[in-house]
Amino acid sequence: AQRVTQPEKLLSVFKGAPVELKCNYSYSGSPELFWYVQYSRQRLQLLLRHISRESIKGFTADLNKGETSFHLKKPFAQEEDSAMYYCALGPNAGGTSYGKLTFGQGTILTVHP
Amino acid sequence: DGGITQSPKYLFRKEGQNVTLSCEQNLNHDAMYWYRQDPGQGLRLIYYSQIVNDFQKGDIAEGYSVSREKKESFPLTVTSAQKNPTAFYLCASSPGRINQPQHFGDGTRLSIL
Repeated sequence: AQRVTQPEKLLSVFKGAPVELKCNYSYSGSPELFWYVQYSRQRLQLLLRHISRESIKGFTADLNKGETSFHLKKPFAQEEDSAMYYCALGPNAGGTSYGKLTFGQGTILTVHP
Repeated sequence: DGGITQSPKYLFRKEGQNVTLSCEQNLNHDAMYWYRQDPGQGLRLIYYSQIVNDFQKGDIAEGYSVSREKKESFPLTVTSAQKNPTAFYLCASSPGRINQPQHFGDGTRLSIL
């Protein structure tokens, strides 16, 4: 069974401080991992995915297969980063369940001025 | 912006009533999904459909039903058998292929009177 764990429900940092949102996963196959973000009064949207290896809004995430982690990091947090963040896992291979995602419980990030 | 439209935004139900939540997409996506979002539990998959006239149960399908008669529409019915229907419901769609992210609607908040 696949599972995504985000151990922190709430995370608070001050503006300019580094931030790391933790995500650990359990999956027997080859995973595809995503970070989704939901800003206040906006719909849930994709932030980044590991296969793209890109930095979005200053955020990066590296897939560590040895530690089964996909932590989201930003060196200098901004107030506009305050939001709910979800880590999500999907299969990276074909089959009947491709496209289906498993989400973590979410982490609410608050960046204080 | 367009993409995925969920209606209504708020819905109230009396005990013992079935209610249907609408989800329409104009993204020409093959796959559509219904999630339930509860505080502290993240997003849990109710049903998903990868192609017209076909759908599969997700992790918490009991008390819910769906249909997929048209590519652009994936309505969710919350039946009287659902014991705790008060929640925020999110619809999503994706091209259905691996490594493709999901796009979300604004959600419907269902409350029991």
